Amino acid sequence: QSALTQPASVSGSPGQSITISCTGTSSDVGAYNYVSWYQQHPGKAPELMIYEVSNRPSGVSDRFSGSKSGNTASLTISGLQAEDEADYYCSSFTSSNTWVFGGGTKLTVL
Amino acid sequence: EVQLVQSGAEVKKPGESLKISCKGSGYTFTNYWVAWVRQMPGKGLEWMGIIYPGDSDTRYSPSFQGQVTISADKSISTAYLQWSSLKASDTAMYFCARGYYYSDVWGRGTLVTVSS
Repeated sequence: QSALTQPASVSGSPGQSITISCTGTSSDVGAYNYVSWYQQHPGKAPELMIYEVSNRPSGVSDRFSGSKSGNTASLTISGLQAEDEADYYCSSFTSSNTWVFGGGTKLTVL
Repeated sequence: EVQLVQSGAEVKKPGESLKISCKGSGYTFTNYWVAWVRQMPGKGLEWMGIIYPGDSDTRYSPSFQGQVTISADKSISTAYLQWSSLKASDTAMYFCARGYYYSDVWGRGTLVTVSS
C-alpha cells in the first residue's frame, strides 16, 4: 500500500489560514470516513488533532478543522499561531483492514 | 491518567534480537487496540501493525509482515514489538498508540539504534 500524498511543506503568517491536503485512493480515503490528522512537534510523540474526517478531540482548539471530498481529505488551521508550527500527518483506514499514513507536511509559521 | 509507557532506548548490533514494550495504564487495556508506528530518522510515520490485547487478534502492514512480531500480555497490560534479527535499517523511533480507527493516546517512543 502506498503512503497518502501530502504537500511536503506549507507556510503562513500568524492569523492567516492554511489548508493541508491528503490524497489517497478509492481503497482508503475515498472508501471510509476514518481519516485522522496528527500534529508532531520535533522530538515529541504525535498528537491526535482530528478523527473520523472532521471530529475534534476534547482539548483541541476549534481553529483546527477537517473535511473530505472524494479521495482527498483536508486539514484547515485558521488563525495561525506560532505554536502551530509542526509536522502534520494524515492517516486513513484501508480496504485491507490496515492503516496508512501520509508522508507528512511541515508547517512553517512565518 | 490514561497513558502508554514505553521501554527505554536500545542499542543493538545487526543480527541481534530485541523486544520492546508498551504498558497501558488508566484504562481497560483489553478493550482497546494498540498500534505500532515507526519513524526513521528525519522521516515520516509508518504504520506497522496493530493488536487487540483482549484476544491477541493482530494485523500487519504488508511492508512489515514477516519482519516483526507484535504480541501482548493482557495480564500485565503490555504490548510488545519484537525482532528476531535486527538490521541497520531498523534504526528508528518506535511509537505505540491506542486505538483502532484513530490513535488518541501515544507513548513517548522507544529509540532503537542498530549499529556494528
